[in-house]
Amino acid sequence: EDQVTQSPEALRLQEGESSSLNCSYTVSGLRGLFWYRQDPGKGPEFLFTLYSAGEEKEKERLKATLTKKESFLHITAPKPEDSATYLCAVQVRMNRDDKIIFGKGTRLHILP
Amino acid sequence: GAGVSQSPSNKVTEKGKDVELRCDPISGHTALYWYRQRLGQGLEFLIYFQGNSAPDKSGLPSDRFSAERTGESVSTLTIQRTQQEDSAVYLCASSVSPGRISGNTIYFGEGSWLTVV
Repeated sequence: EDQVTQSPEALRLQEGESSSLNCSYTVSGLRGLFWYRQDPGKGPEFLFTLYSAGEEKEKERLKATLTKKESFLHITAPKPEDSATYLCAVQVRMNRDDKIIFGKGTRLHILP
Repeated sequence: GAGVSQSPSNKVTEKGKDVELRCDPISGHTALYWYRQRLGQGLEFLIYFQGNSAPDKSGLPSDRFSAERTGESVSTLTIQRTQQEDSAVYLCASSVSPGRISGNTIYFGEGSWLTVV
């Protein structure tokens, strides 16, 4: 069964303390992996798309990487405004149309 | 429009009433998705529309839930005889490409918050 697992469920960091969020997947026919940020009371906001193992993308303090089994979202010197839930999703090849599967997210809290 | 638009943004309804939630996808997007997110929980897939193909309704939790889409534009999610467990935010999303294109990024609206009292 296709699965996406994010860890940890929640993470508290001090401002400036770098860390990584993990998204591991067991799917057949990966066609893309996506990272989103979701603030309380808001819809998910698209961050990155990764297509193949070895690919990396960066945006401000965030860097996403992809291997054949997992993706990491690295946060360098985070600020309180980086506090949010980070969602990972994978696009999987199916018979008719591809399927998008979301993980449950990691709640990140950056303490000033 | 510039983004996915949903209405109403907030809805409080009495148990047993019917509600309709509306989604305007990004112009030109052929694929449209509905998700449900309960407080503090992950995204729960409900239904997917792609062009004129039959929708994928595999995520609808019961026959009280239904959705329609007019061509490649507006979609309406209807919940009949609402129950308290239906309280959640209902998120609509759209994407530009048919589902078989790699990296088919989907973009979300801000959601419709439903409270059943």
